[in-house]
Amino acid sequence: DTVLTQSPALAVSPGERVSISCRASEGVNSYMHWYQQKPGQQPKLLIYKASNLASGVPARFSGSGSGTDFTLTIDPVEADDTATYFCQQSWNDPYTFGAGTKLELK
Amino acid sequence: QVTLKESGPGILQPSQTLSLTCTFSGFSLSTYGMGVGWIRQPSGKGLEWLANIWWDDDKYYNPSLKNRLTISKDTSNNQAFLKITNVDTADTATYYCARANYGSYPYWGQGVMVTVSS
Repeated sequence: DTVLTQSPALAVSPGERVSISCRASEGVNSYMHWYQQKPGQQPKLLIYKASNLASGVPARFSGSGSGTDFTLTIDPVEADDTATYFCQQSWNDPYTFGAGTKLELK
Repeated sequence: QVTLKESGPGILQPSQTLSLTCTFSGFSLSTYGMGVGWIRQPSGKGLEWLANIWWDDDKYYNPSLKNRLTISKDTSNNQAFLKITNVDTADTATYYCARANYGSYPYWGQGVMVTVSS
């Protein structure tokens, strides 16, 4: 299976820029997607196919990368962005998710 | 407007079969390119992809569940189903269904909690 590695946690101040990384154990082309999940809620798609903003998602969110290294960037960070962020690949079977990066605001 | 809602038994005993239903609106599983996936999440943990079913009845499963999974659909009633046989406590989780799009999931249900306990 394709293992997706994310940093466990990050802490930033509102107004700053934050980059959340996801490294794949093997190439996934551009088929990397990013989700935001708040406690008690279902995941919400933010970015699909590495760099495409999902419908209704603020332009503060952006994605980049290809192959094995991907980044979700939030600029500027707002208080409401406190959540866990998951990456997911759909290039290799089975689909896999990263363990998530918990974003906390200072 | 796309909506999905999961339903399930809530609690079941080890070795039983878990049957889940996803009832959706706003799209049809008979439309080219449409798919529904099942994903689960144990409390406080990460997400695990289980299976996808597509408009043409193609089905894909996570091999880690070792042939315990069966996904199916009822296009007429806008429903998708997932069965997991021989459950044990490790299957305790919130189960989500979601509409698939190029391998991502832009629409999710609210999830249904399933507890396996004797």
